[in-house]
Amino acid sequence: DAKTTQPPSMDCAEGRAANLPCNHSTISGNEYVYWYRQIHSQGPQYIIHGLKNNETNEMASLIITEDRKSSTLILPHATLRDTAVYYCIVRVLYNFNKFYFGSGTKLNVKP
Amino acid sequence: EADIYQTPRYLVIGTGKKITLECSQTMGHDKMYWYQQDPGMELHLIHYSYGVNSTEKGDLSSESTVSRIRTEHFPLTLESARPSHTSQYLCASDREPDTQYFGPGTRLTVL
Repeated sequence: DAKTTQPPSMDCAEGRAANLPCNHSTISGNEYVYWYRQIHSQGPQYIIHGLKNNETNEMASLIITEDRKSSTLILPHATLRDTAVYYCIVRVLYNFNKFYFGSGTKLNVKP
Repeated sequence: EADIYQTPRYLVIGTGKKITLECSQTMGHDKMYWYQQDPGMELHLIHYSYGVNSTEKGDLSSESTVSRIRTEHFPLTLESARPSHTSQYLCASDREPDTQYFGPGTRLTVL
């Protein structure tokens, strides 16, 4: 099962774009890239996922490199409420047992 | 926002007691999950269910048991709680295409 590597923490100024990187060099062809975040003491919150094309929704954008070995989550205008731990996860679609949450990136959004 | 609920939110209990952590979702999702998360650490899957009368163990060995008699309800039971069971327990359910929604969690402390 492919694992991911993320920086342990990042800072971002309020109102600026937050770009969170993730390496997944051993990703398989049928594994998707998911992003979740977890605000202190709450359950994880789904953000976005994709296979190989870039994706955008109301929360964020996901940029996946052409070789799929890395990706970047972009929060276009970070707010203080975006301060959280962000998890990058790779998994096979519909595979219950393989949903490995690593240690994530703690994003600190500062005024 | 997903409608998935967990009770109690916090529980402090003595060793040897039997406890049941409740999880309910009102979205009609077939797939449900239980994860365990220690403070600041990653999530570990302990149980999951494909639907009514279906339960499976996850990657992390657990002394807990689960049942799935109704689609909306997925309780987790510890027959005899021990201090090593102290953790946060997160319930989740799945929306097509394979996007998990998490409950707020139950923080369990066994004295």
